[in-house]
Amino acid sequence: NAGVMQNPRHLVRRRGQEARLRCSPMKGHSHVYWYRQLPEEGLKFMVYLQKENIIDESGMPKERFSAEFPKEGPSILRIQQVVRGDSAAYFCASSELPTGTGELFFGEGSRLTVL
Amino acid sequence: GESVGLHLPTLSVQEGDNSIINCAYSNSASDYFIWYKQESGKGPQFIIDIRSNMDKRQGQRVTVLLNKTVKHLSLQIAATQPGDSAVYFCAENRPNTDKLIFGTGTRLQVFP
Repeated sequence: NAGVMQNPRHLVRRRGQEARLRCSPMKGHSHVYWYRQLPEEGLKFMVYLQKENIIDESGMPKERFSAEFPKEGPSILRIQQVVRGDSAAYFCASSELPTGTGELFFGEGSRLTVL
Repeated sequence: GESVGLHLPTLSVQEGDNSIINCAYSNSASDYFIWYKQESGKGPQFIIDIRSNMDKRQGQRVTVLLNKTVKHLSLQIAATQPGDSAVYFCAENRPNTDKLIFGTGTRLQVFP
């Protein structure tokens, strides 16, 4: 049973380009979470999704950021018109149950660098 | 504001000694707490969790203590090894939400 798979592991973009980060949850997990981590800081919650639904996006910036978890395929975190401040590690996590009742498994992260 | 914070950003211990990493949380309604270990360049890895109806839980070489009176959480690592060197995060889950709130982290350095 593979763990949470994220790709790409490293992504370099120029200002104004788009970044797409993909996350395949563990088999059997229908709850997906995205977190952002700046160097030497903790993880900041961005969005919580279940299949085809956004449950909580209170941590997502109002503009340029979007997330989806389609019925088929991985969850996608999309950042449009990237700026240097978007440079960070983006972690995806999945769980079989909501986090209050079950363990959260993290991927290895996607590291975005904006030039 | 609501936050989960740590008292010490860096902790240096000698191999074989016990380590204690502390965490303060501000939301007294939080009912589930988790400790994660994050090695350089990797994702957080679950270590141990505890629910608010408990004050102590033990795993292999690790113990988590919860003091709800002062809203304090600690992670104790027995016989610390070089492989324990990492950043440790505490995280809390609040009722009626389905997300974990992470603290800033403590870097544990183990020297011979």
